[in-house]
Amino acid sequence: EDKVVQSPLSLVVHEGDTVTLNCSYEVTNFRSLLWYKQEKKAPTFLFMLTSSGIEKKSGRLSSILDKKELFSILNITATQTGDSAVYLCAVYTGTASKLTFGTGTRLQVTL
Amino acid sequence: DAGVTQSPTHLIKTRGQQVTLRCSPKSGHDTVSWYQQALGQGPQFIFQYYEEEERQRGNFPDRFSGHQFPNYSSELNVNALLLGDSALYLCASSLGTPDQPQHFGDGTRLSIL
Repeated sequence: EDKVVQSPLSLVVHEGDTVTLNCSYEVTNFRSLLWYKQEKKAPTFLFMLTSSGIEKKSGRLSSILDKKELFSILNITATQTGDSAVYLCAVYTGTASKLTFGTGTRLQVTL
Repeated sequence: DAGVTQSPTHLIKTRGQQVTLRCSPKSGHDTVSWYQQALGQGPQFIFQYYEEEERQRGNFPDRFSGHQFPNYSSELNVNALLLGDSALYLCASSLGTPDQPQHFGDGTRLSIL
């Protein structure tokens, strides 16, 4: 059975800190890995990663995939209170059209 | 450009009842997926509809059924509700080609008493 594991489960940081969120996967026929941010309701799409070693960047957020070691990291620099959310990692595998999600990392940014 | 819209936002039912949740996909999207998200958990895949057919199904019982209409909107039906069906039900839409990001609606919070 495909498995996606995120760590840490929760994290509290001060505004301005840099954080790294981890996502590891044990799946059959990996295709791509996606990161989402979920504040109150709808998960919002951040990045999709298919190739190893190519960093995707959007403002203060960046992410990279390591297909040899089967993990991805999401970095957030100069954190702001608006970054407080649950960050979800998900994968596409095999011929499946479904996303398999991890449990998420709850990030709280304090003043 | 409207994103994914779901209705209703909240719903309270009792055990044994039946419920229908609705979803309109983002403009230009033809594929709709449904997920169940329990408190503190990641979303779990229920099923996906493409061209009005169920394309793939997750590990959910037959009490969960769905439909997609010619305008690509979709419904999720749950029969014989159980307390354990209490969750946030998320609809996601995407293009029908492989490896497209799925875009989520705000969900329907279903509470079973």
